Parts: sequence; C-alpha cells; structure tokens
Amino acid sequence: AQSVSQHNHHVILSEAASLELGCNYSYGGTVNLFWYVQYPGQHLQLLLKYFSGDPLVKGIKGFEAEFIKSKFSFNLRKPSVQWSDTAEYFCAVISIKAAGNKLTFGGGTRVLVKP
Amino acid sequence: GAGVSQSPRYKVAKRGQDVALRCDPISGHVSLFWYQQALGQGPEFLTYFQNEAQLDKSGLPSDRFFAERPEGSVSTLKIQRTQQEDSAVYLCASSLYRGRASYEQYFGPGTRLTVT
Repeated sequence: AQSVSQHNHHVILSEAASLELGCNYSYGGTVNLFWYVQYPGQHLQLLLKYFSGDPLVKGIKGFEAEFIKSKFSFNLRKPSVQWSDTAEYFCAVISIKAAGNKLTFGGGTRVLVKP
Repeated sequence: GAGVSQSPRYKVAKRGQDVALRCDPISGHVSLFWYQQALGQGPEFLTYFQNEAQLDKSGLPSDRFFAERPEGSVSTLKIQRTQQEDSAVYLCASSLYRGRASYEQYFGPGTRLTVT
C-alpha cells in the first residue's frame, strides 16, 4: 500500500524566512502529487499539483514544489513567507493505477509564521 | 460558484447513537469521496462513488459505517452505534471524471463529530 510521510509536524519561522516542507511517498508506479493547505477555520484547498512534465511546479501564493522521482520526493518551498501563510500543509498522492483516484495524505505540517 | 457543502458542521452524539452526515458536491461532479480526519492527522480515505455507484469502500473502518448516493448527487455517510473512536472530522470531496481534471478534488468544510 502506498504511504506518504511528511518530515516535520510543526514548523515555526519568522516573516520573510524561507520555507521548505519535506514530503516522501512510497509507491513505485506513476503518481500524481498534490499539496493542499488548510488555513485556520477554512477547508482544504489545493495549493499546487504535479501530473507530468516539468518537475518544478508553481502554485498559488508564491509556492512551488519540486518532484524528484529518484528520491520519491515532492518538497514544497516558498522563498519568503508571510504571516498569512500560517496554516497546515498536507502532501497527497494519487496512484494512477488505483481505481477511483483516492488521495493518500501525509500527516500534515503545521506552519506558524511569526510577524 | 458553489463549492462542496456539508451538514451539519458540528455534531455531538452520545455513544451508541446513530448519526447521518450529508454532503452536497459541486454540481456536475461525477466522483464523490469521503475521508476521515482524526485529530492531528491527515485525512484518510473511507469510500468513493462514481455517480450512484459505490466503487470503493475499502476504507470504511467497520460495518457500522455506511454510505450512499442514491441519485448520484447528494451523499450521506451514516454511522451506527457510534463509538468514541469515531470522533473525527469527516470530509467530503468531489471531482469531475474526465481527463486530468478528475484528479483534482474539491473539499467541503467537513463535519466535526464528537462522541461522548
């Protein structure tokens, strides 16, 4: 069964600092990769996605992620965070061969940006 | 346009009670998913519908959990004889079915179930 692991449960940083959240998955086949974000009091929203092509994908609000197939990784980055980036971030995977496109999520990383 | 809606947003049930959670997907979305999110964890898949057909229920934790989508739109997740370990946020998501758009799921706000 596929699984997704996120290395950090909590991250605290100051505004303007750079952010990198790690995500590794365990599945050898073709996958689609996602980062979702959940702001306080809001529902899960898609931040960015990777299906194929350029392994460096750009999402909303200045976020980007790099797919490294050899490392089974899909790390999320933002060069300079803002207080409004305080949220919980989830990495997720869809196995192309799995029926129904169900998402497998990591455990999430809570990010607190101090003003 | 309208997103995925869920009701109720909060539900408190006494152990042993039955509960029903409702999901209204985005209009025209063929696929519908239910996930369970325990405190401090990521969402976990429960079940999947394509129109009215329940194609995957491998994530349902026990036979106390039952989901339906009789007309291919609104879905109901029912939990019978609730237990404390059922306390969680129940998320509903929907997506289109054709092409790569089928891989993008849109989530509702969730129903927070607390079993006392």
